[in-house]
Amino acid sequence: RKEVEQDPGPFNVPEGATVAFNCTYSNSASQSFFWYRQDCRKEPKLLMSVYSSGNEDGRFTAQLNRASQYISLLIRDSKLSDSATYLCVVNRGGSYIPTFGRGTSLIVHP
Amino acid sequence: DTEVTQTPKHLVMGMTNKKSLKCEQHMGHRAMYWYKQKAKKPPELMFVYSYEKLSINESVPSRFSPECPNSSLLNLHLHALQPEDSALYLCASSQSRDVYEQYFGPGTRLTVT
Repeated sequence: RKEVEQDPGPFNVPEGATVAFNCTYSNSASQSFFWYRQDCRKEPKLLMSVYSSGNEDGRFTAQLNRASQYISLLIRDSKLSDSATYLCVVNRGGSYIPTFGRGTSLIVHP
Repeated sequence: DTEVTQTPKHLVMGMTNKKSLKCEQHMGHRAMYWYKQKAKKPPELMFVYSYEKLSINESVPSRFSPECPNSSLLNLHLHALQPEDSALYLCASSQSRDVYEQYFGPGTRLTVT
């Protein structure tokens, strides 16, 4: 099993839709979780950290489920500009080494 | 200022050349990273520097040689590369190696001919 797994998609949704991505991790000792966004041919940009209590920033909500070892990202009221690849990052269990998932592609269409 | 800068933006080099990639940040971050990213793949960690000392080398071939001259600068020296080393090379920084919110530079797109 890979350390960090994501459904590559693409998720193809209309503007205004709500879409959710999951990211599973294999090592129960992992403690730090993040979502990054990467536009085509650009660098990844930090979207949000994922805390045990969940985290909300405008239309974006991130949650952590330690029992099932996954994190989720919910995007409400999708905009065309949300089209990108969403990467989850988890520290390698028991270490400070960040491990990226392969990313989930989101396409928001008019 | 949350900017990480990288130069050059693009680099084409032959297999016998020696070149260097440069990365700079002025956020006072004490951890800096090099990643390699191939098309449609996630970034792969290469090196981590913490307080200007090499902390992690993810079994990277010796033709890649990192250097951290001071807390703001990170270099990646390239020598005798192979065509399969062609990729986007990303630099990132974070407050420390234990704080994982990373800020990435725009990358250097490297082509080895």
